[in-house]
Amino acid sequence: GAGVSQTPSNKVTEKGKYVELRCDPISGHTALYWYRQSLGQGPEFLIYFQGTGAADDSGLPNDRFFAVRPEGSVSTLKIQRTERGDSAVYLCASSLDRGAYEQYFGPGTRLTVT
Amino acid sequence: GQNIDQPTEMTATEGAIVQINCTYQTSGFNGLFWYQQHAGEAPTFLSYNVLDGLEEKGRFSSFLSRSKGYSYLLLKELQMKDSASYLCAVGLGAGSYQLTFGKGTKLSVIP
Repeated sequence: GAGVSQTPSNKVTEKGKYVELRCDPISGHTALYWYRQSLGQGPEFLIYFQGTGAADDSGLPNDRFFAVRPEGSVSTLKIQRTERGDSAVYLCASSLDRGAYEQYFGPGTRLTVT
Repeated sequence: GQNIDQPTEMTATEGAIVQINCTYQTSGFNGLFWYQQHAGEAPTFLSYNVLDGLEEKGRFSSFLSRSKGYSYLLLKELQMKDSASYLCAVGLGAGSYQLTFGKGTKLSVIP
């Protein structure tokens, strides 16, 4: 079956611009996680959705970052007024439900802010 | 804060056994995870330990000691395709498994 998909695979934007990154989880998975990974580092937790609601957004670095999941499947991570420090690979993962420990990761979106 | 330590790099020979250690100090604990990540690819799940002891799955085994804040991943009969980064992660969060990752150990398997 289809895995987690993310679009775009690569995004180059200028400092100060707004970007949206999309995640399509595995069908039927209710739990969805966003992480970001900088070069040479492990992924860093950003936000967790259970269904449509953001159950834990404690990892979002500041109020320029926002994520939604209006229908409980596709999620969009939104970054306003991008900064060069936002450059990273943004990973999305899904799991069957909140009690399922195995997360399936998407291929990521590589964001470069120039 | 959360602290997860693992070696930055390791090298091992094809056919050999390698052990990758991980120590952690975290404010919560919902399990210890190992993920494999090939260069430029997404992490893939290898193992999950929530109780002390050894979990074996084919060529891969993972060990956990909660009292010591210590885990290791054991890879047997190494193959060239095992060259990858191995990420140790602790599950945190109430009722979920948001993961806090270490920086990863880059394993190079040589002939």
